[in-house]
Amino acid sequence: AQSVAQPEDQVNVAEGNPLTVKCTYSVSGNPYLFWYVQYPNRGLQFLLKYITGDNLVKGSYGFEAEFNKSQTSFHLKKPSALVSDSALYFCAVRDSDTGRRALTFGSGTRLQVQP
Amino acid sequence: ETGVTQTPRHLVMGMTNKKSLKCEQHLGHNAMYWYKQSAKKPLELMFVYSLEERVENNSVPSRFSPECPNSSHLFLHLHTLQPEDSALYLCASSQGQREQETQYFGPGTRLLVL
Repeated sequence: AQSVAQPEDQVNVAEGNPLTVKCTYSVSGNPYLFWYVQYPNRGLQFLLKYITGDNLVKGSYGFEAEFNKSQTSFHLKKPSALVSDSALYFCAVRDSDTGRRALTFGSGTRLQVQP
Repeated sequence: ETGVTQTPRHLVMGMTNKKSLKCEQHLGHNAMYWYKQSAKKPLELMFVYSLEERVENNSVPSRFSPECPNSSHLFLHLHTLQPEDSALYLCASSQGQREQETQYFGPGTRLLVL
């Protein structure tokens, strides 16, 4: 079975500081990992994904994520946070072994960037 | 915009009403999904359609009935819903049969059942 955990309900960071939003996963095969962002009253917007290859994945809006197989983690990072980054962030996983097309999502982490 | 549209954006209905949610994708994708997003809960998959056939059904009550007439349109028919069905209903689409495909989401329909 595939599962994903986001251990922090909320992350607070000052504008200009680096940010990290944590995600850990569990799969039986190879993981396909995704990050999405949701702004108020909007759907989910795709940020980036890890399929294979380089462990550091770069995505939209200056975000990047690091795949760590030994720690089964895929943390989202940005070197310098903006107030406009304040939103709800979701990590998602799909397991290569299950053959399922649907994603399993974490519970979400609310990022609050203070001016 | 992601190329996935949903109508209506907001819906209020009584428990005896029948209504339908519509999703349309303009991306040329061949798979479509319905998800339910409730407060303080992870997104829950409801249905997956691939090439207009339902390929996944995540134990959803029969008061929710999906329909996929073609690869660009997906409906969710609602009948005798309960107040606990109030949520944001998200539609998504993707291309191809591979697990690494990216799903693109619509803006959602905010449903309130009275």
